[in-house]
Amino acid sequence: EPEVTQTPSHQVTQMGQEVILRCVPISNHLYFYWYRQILGQKVEFLVSFYNNEISEKSEIFDDQFSVERPDGSNFTLKIRSTKLEDSAMYFCASSKGLAGGYEQYFGPGTRLTVT
Amino acid sequence: QQQVKQSPQSLIVQKGGISIINCAYENTAFDYFPWYQQFPGKGPALLIAIRPDVSEKKEGRFTISFNKSAKQFSLHIMDSQPGDSATYFCAASIPGGKLIFGQGTELSVKP
Repeated sequence: EPEVTQTPSHQVTQMGQEVILRCVPISNHLYFYWYRQILGQKVEFLVSFYNNEISEKSEIFDDQFSVERPDGSNFTLKIRSTKLEDSAMYFCASSKGLAGGYEQYFGPGTRLTVT
Repeated sequence: QQQVKQSPQSLIVQKGGISIINCAYENTAFDYFPWYQQFPGKGPALLIAIRPDVSEKKEGRFTISFNKSAKQFSLHIMDSQPGDSATYFCAASIPGGKLIFGQGTELSVKP
């Protein structure tokens, strides 16, 4: 069964450093998402991406964040200058969308620790 | 308007019992309501989902009940098992849109 994969599983970085979180969505999916979950809290939407552009972003997704689909398989989230409060689990999700269905399938997550 | 409220925060059920988790929403534009199961250290896994044109959907031991007029939906887990112990999240979205998650319910099924 196809799965969303994410790398790395755990990233430790120092405050102010740039990090790139990587995701490989399910191959025939067209909509891509990033969510985050601070420990013990609910999952929060960050950004959605369709047709090579951002469709929607939350207020959390400020100028320090960017997303990219550099090739036909990868989807990345970059945090330009990390802050302590960026420490969280980051989940990538994908869906077929429209005629294919809106079910969003999540990856296993990347735990980001900012020290 | 964008919130989804979930209760209870935690739930303890005996093996074989019924687990019931409730959610309420305000935005009438929502038309897709999934439930996710999350084990510690893992990503949310889609469990079951419903659209507002039906009042109930059942998949195995899991049933979603949906009340459009009350803007509420619930997850029922029949014959709960220790392996069902996890955190459950309800969510809602408009077509193709972001998921708005509830706060989560930590379910513990005692043997």
